Amino acid sequence: SQKIEQNSEALNIQEGKTATLTCNYTNYSPAYLQWYRQDPGRGPVFLLLIRENEKEKRKERLKVTFDTTLKQSLFHITASQPADSATYLCAPQARMDSSYKLIFGSGTRLLVRP
Amino acid sequence: SQTIHQWPATLVQPVGSPLSLECTVEGTSNPNLYWYRQAAGRGLQLLFYSVGIGQISSEVPQNLSASRPQDRQFILSSKKLLLSDSGFYLCAWRFGTYEQYFGPGTRLTVT
Repeated sequence: SQKIEQNSEALNIQEGKTATLTCNYTNYSPAYLQWYRQDPGRGPVFLLLIRENEKEKRKERLKVTFDTTLKQSLFHITASQPADSATYLCAPQARMDSSYKLIFGSGTRLLVRP
Repeated sequence: SQTIHQWPATLVQPVGSPLSLECTVEGTSNPNLYWYRQAAGRGLQLLFYSVGIGQISSEVPQNLSASRPQDRQFILSSKKLLLSDSGFYLCAWRFGTYEQYFGPGTRLTVT
């Protein structure tokens, strides 16, 4: 069955450093991969989407890579700030059908110390 | 602009009681709609999705059901709640682009 793995341990880093979060998947070949941010008690918020033919995608301080050979995506936040503290979810997405359904990883909690 | 509403925000229900959670979307037509559940400290579990009125697909067999009586209304129901139904229920929509937009959620505690 499809499996998505994100580091269940919280990532604790110092403000100003780069945070790197990992998403590994097995037993399927996603055409797209999405990253979301979730704050406590709130719904996830979309951050970035990367396609299988894209190696890297950037948005402001965020960068996502997608390695279909390794079946892995890395999510980077440069110059991290305490406001970046949240749980980050990855969602590899199979080639489109009418459902556009997403299967989410369990998320990695990021804590940025001031 | 599009807006998604969920209510109630919080709910405490006894075991064996019925459930009805409602989700409505404004500012778009014919969206795909989704119900997720997030147990405490766990990831998002897709429960149901709908690509149109009356069209419901179930992802997980359980005592929950969903209905879409109108284009922008999605309802999650149960006839008899179990303790294991406790969690954070999220509704989401998608139209046009690939990403999903989530509502504020309903925190359900079954006692």
